[in-house]
Amino acid sequence: GAVVSQHPSWVICKSGTSVKIECRSLDFQATTMFWYRQFPKQSLMLMATSNEGSKATYEQGVEKDKFLINHASLTLSTLTVTSAHPEDSSFYICSARDHQNPSGNTIYFGEGSWLTVV
Amino acid sequence: SQKIEQNSEALNIQEGKTATLTCNYTNYSPAYLQWYRQDPGRGPVFLLLIRENEKEKRKERLKVTFDTTLKQSLFHITASQPADSATYLCALTTGGGNKLTFGTGTQLKVEL
Repeated sequence: GAVVSQHPSWVICKSGTSVKIECRSLDFQATTMFWYRQFPKQSLMLMATSNEGSKATYEQGVEKDKFLINHASLTLSTLTVTSAHPEDSSFYICSARDHQNPSGNTIYFGEGSWLTVV
Repeated sequence: SQKIEQNSEALNIQEGKTATLTCNYTNYSPAYLQWYRQDPGRGPVFLLLIRENEKEKRKERLKVTFDTTLKQSLFHITASQPADSATYLCALTTGGGNKLTFGTGTQLKVEL
């Protein structure tokens, strides 16, 4: 079945540095990928929609200069947290839509990436 | 304002019983509603999708209903097992079908 892979699974970085998280669709092409963050015991909050070959669409309240998204190919989107601070520590999850799937509307999620900023 | 609400309190049931989880929404007109399972520290796993013109969907021990008049979906797990213990999230397809907006999730615990 469809698989979405995230890397790294967990990362610890120093405050003020930047960290990049990758999201790959392994056996399908994804023109659209989504980035979420999730705080403990809370639901997933959509941060942005990543569109292959164009700029990402950010949700209200999400700083596009802080959370840089690049979707350079049909199988890869990256999220870069720039100048990270401890409050950016969270669980970041990506998902991808398989447009070629006959059902047309199934979205597959990655396993998530834990970011801890110290 | 738009809301997707699920029971915030954990649901504890005995093995073998049917678990019923509720998802209510306001100020949405979703084309689809989906249910996901999430285990601690893992990404959500897709379970079922139901369209606005469908009343009920089944998959093995799972059943989902969708009442667009009540703006509610019910998620049932029959013959529950301890392995069913997880957080279950409902999600609406919005933004022209291009976005998923999640509910708060309900934690289910199935006890022996």
